[in-house]
Amino acid sequence: GDSVTQMEGPVTLSEEAFLTINCTYTATGYPSLFWYVQYPGEGLQLLLKATKADDKGSNKGFEATYRKETTSFHLEKGSVQVSDSAVYFCALGGRDSSYKLIFGSGTRLLVRP
Amino acid sequence: GAVVSQHPSWVICKSGTSVKIECRSLDFQATTMFWYRQFPKQSLMLMATSNEGSKATYEQGVEKDKFLINHASLTLSTLTVTSAHPEDSSFYICRAIGPGQSTDTQYFGPGTRLTVL
Repeated sequence: GDSVTQMEGPVTLSEEAFLTINCTYTATGYPSLFWYVQYPGEGLQLLLKATKADDKGSNKGFEATYRKETTSFHLEKGSVQVSDSAVYFCALGGRDSSYKLIFGSGTRLLVRP
Repeated sequence: GAVVSQHPSWVICKSGTSVKIECRSLDFQATTMFWYRQFPKQSLMLMATSNEGSKATYEQGVEKDKFLINHASLTLSTLTVTSAHPEDSSFYICRAIGPGQSTDTQYFGPGTRLTVL
């Protein structure tokens, strides 16, 4: 079945460092891909998305490109801030009518001043 | 944007009791609601999908008699954990979708933390 694999955390960076969180997926067909963020004590929020191959999703300085050839959707940010500390989830959504989302295991990011 | 609420935000109960968690869509009609469970430091696991007015569809391995889901109206779905045990302690999250919305829709509730003593 469909699945998402994320790099294990926690990832600890200093402020202004470059961030990469790896995400690869296995799916039949051509799913939409998402990154969600969960700040401490809050619910999940959509960070960015891409709906087809080579699309780049971007938001708040974060970017991820839908790579069909490597089945990847890695999250990047050029300069992280302390406020980016959160748990990041990669997810895929099917193109059928079920609207299901399948999540990766999440990666905790800790940014130190 | 659309808002989904959950109540309670946290609950502590004794083993053997039942707990009801509500998920409400505040400004749209949620024709489909999903219930997820999140273990500490782990991902969200889809438990079931419920469509308004019909029985919920449970994912493999989820006990339907233990996790009762009711989606009786277009703005409310409930998850009842029956005869709760400590292993049911978890973070429960709902997600709602309305007419014309798609998988891209990201209306998650803030979650309910259940602790069973």
